[in-house]
Amino acid sequence: DQQVKQNSPSLSVQEGRISILNCDYTNSMFDYFLWYKKYPAEGPTFLISISSIKDKNEDGRFTVFLNKSAKHLSLHIVPSQPGDSAVYFCAARSNTGNQFYFGTGTSLTVIP
Amino acid sequence: NAGVMQNPRHLVRRRGQEARLRCSPMKGHSHVYWYRQLPEEGLKFMVYLQKENIIDESGMPKERFSAEFPKEGPSILRIQQVVRGDSAAYFCASSPLNMNTEAFFGQGTRLTVV
Repeated sequence: DQQVKQNSPSLSVQEGRISILNCDYTNSMFDYFLWYKKYPAEGPTFLISISSIKDKNEDGRFTVFLNKSAKHLSLHIVPSQPGDSAVYFCAARSNTGNQFYFGTGTSLTVIP
Repeated sequence: NAGVMQNPRHLVRRRGQEARLRCSPMKGHSHVYWYRQLPEEGLKFMVYLQKENIIDESGMPKERFSAEFPKEGPSILRIQQVVRGDSAAYFCASSPLNMNTEAFFGQGTRLTVV
């Protein structure tokens, strides 16, 4: 049972344009959401997070939006850079906090 | 402050052997998580431990897999009698006591069963 879903396995974007990565979840108990970036043969690295009390969190070129009613979050990267090419994982955790649930990832390619 | 350290980075085992994967969490972190990534798949939760306690092992296969996080020393993920299907990247992550905080991942151990 996949509680966190990333329905787009891949995304290609031109350098300088906006990248939008989407994530849906099913568990209404989730109250903390995260995005991780992963390069091949490396561990995931934390990118940005958002608590359910907010609907937006921004850090430089990265912004995460949370729509609790739709159980949807998205990561916006603007402007996209070739170094952003990686697999992006969405993750969520509930207030009972036993584990982080991960999506299956979206492979982003930023074309120079 | 060193990050999460996993060793070995690469491990080759023959079918039927045992694999031991080690994870040293970040300093001050008392929570450890193990995840497995099969080829072309996402990160699958295996087990969540605190010092000397298994909190959630709902993602662990019922047989051959075990995990521990002793009072002293690293967390160990142990796979007995490995089979080809165990070949995967195994990632460990750690977090501090706080609830709303990210987990930090190690570089992973790539297990190959031949």
